[in-house]
Amino acid sequence: EVPLVQSGAEVKKPGESLKISCKASGYRFTSYWIAWVRQMPGKGLEWMGLIYPGDSETRYSPSFEGHVTMSVDKSISTVFLQWSSLRASDSGIYFCARFTRAGNFDYWGQGTLTTVST
Amino acid sequence: NFVLTQPRSLSESPGKTLTISCSRNGGSIASHNVQWYQQRPGRSPTPIIYEDDQRPSGVPDRFSGSIDSSSNSASLTISGLKTEDEADYYCQSYDDNNHAVFGGGTKVTVL
Repeated sequence: EVPLVQSGAEVKKPGESLKISCKASGYRFTSYWIAWVRQMPGKGLEWMGLIYPGDSETRYSPSFEGHVTMSVDKSISTVFLQWSSLRASDSGIYFCARFTRAGNFDYWGQGTLTTVST
Repeated sequence: NFVLTQPRSLSESPGKTLTISCSRNGGSIASHNVQWYQQRPGRSPTPIIYEDDQRPSGVPDRFSGSIDSSSNSASLTISGLKTEDEADYYCQSYDDNNHAVFGGGTKVTVL
């Protein structure tokens, strides 16, 4: 059973806002960091940051800090990634992944394809 | 922070052995665990090596990982190559603040 299930594909216009989700199940949600990873079309994996559901602590990559916000709702075991003003360059696939104490991503969501275009 | 550098692409014949390098620029490769992920087209990455040389359950022992402090790099070796091994492979490590870094990825072609 895959413990991370992400929200569906999105199509947005530049300047619009967006919030995508990643729902966890099957483990103690508050005990593991959850990271977000971007993959632009035809490109590699980029670490965006992570959030610790236990206390909502966040750590962002300098490349994404200030442009995205990570949040959590412990009552539904879900983490969120949101933008207040999308750019065309935000198009890509966004994965959530569980980050372990050993420093690896042991479970990944299925990805959310986000298209930002006029 | 640090950078992980991988070759962009490698190719080899079925049955042969292929090694992907992951060179760390900035800090010691041994300072934090190195992981490897396989990503097939249209799929999420899946872990194939964690903690430098450990295989998750279900990953064939044809896949092995190692680190070399003298060259400050990590390696993923795939022996007995199969056509199903065609995929992109990424190395990954992290720092003391849990900031993760991925290598640029290596596209493996099994001719």
